[in-house]
Amino acid sequence: AQSVTQLGSHVSVSEGALVLLRCNYSSSVPPYLFWYVQYPNQGLQLLLKYTSAATLVKGINGFEAEFKKSETSFHLTKPSAHMSDAAEYFCAVSEGTGGFKTIFGAGTRLFVKA
Amino acid sequence: EPEVTQTPSHQVTQMGQEVILRCVPISNHLYFYWYRQILGQKVEFLVSFYNNEISEKSEIFDDQFSVERPDGSNFTLKIRSTKLEDSAMYFCASMAGGPYNEQFFGPGTRLTVL
Repeated sequence: AQSVTQLGSHVSVSEGALVLLRCNYSSSVPPYLFWYVQYPNQGLQLLLKYTSAATLVKGINGFEAEFKKSETSFHLTKPSAHMSDAAEYFCAVSEGTGGFKTIFGAGTRLFVKA
Repeated sequence: EPEVTQTPSHQVTQMGQEVILRCVPISNHLYFYWYRQILGQKVEFLVSFYNNEISEKSEIFDDQFSVERPDGSNFTLKIRSTKLEDSAMYFCASMAGGPYNEQFFGPGTRLTVL
């Protein structure tokens, strides 16, 4: 079965600093990978998705992620953190068969310090 | 922009009571899902629904749970006899089709079982 592991339940950065949120996946087949963001008391919003078209994926709000098959990683980055980026971030993988359910990682809460 | 809607936003019920959570998916989508998120934990898959039948369900989705798409627009999750541990945020999602597409999530229903 496919799975994702997010390293670090909490990450704290200063405003303007690089954001790096780590995600490793486990899959025996080419994965469909996603990053979602959840702001307090809100639903899940898609940041970006990897569907094998390009290894570097650009998303909304200045975020991007790089798919590295050799490292089974799909880390999320943003060059300069903004206070509004403070939220919970979930890495997820979609199974490419059946009902295409999404399997989520445990999440990483990002704190941004002024 | 089309969106997934859910009602109610918050449901409080007594243990043992039946609850129905309602969702209106995006109109041309074919796949429908329910996920739940217990406070402070990750988002967990419950069930996927396609072509008017369940395509996959998790071990959480036991006989107390059922789903229905009664009229071609609504998608409901019923819990027959709620338990304290059913307290969670329940998210509905819909997808146009295939693993390349993203799932669009509703804002969630917070279920509190007393």
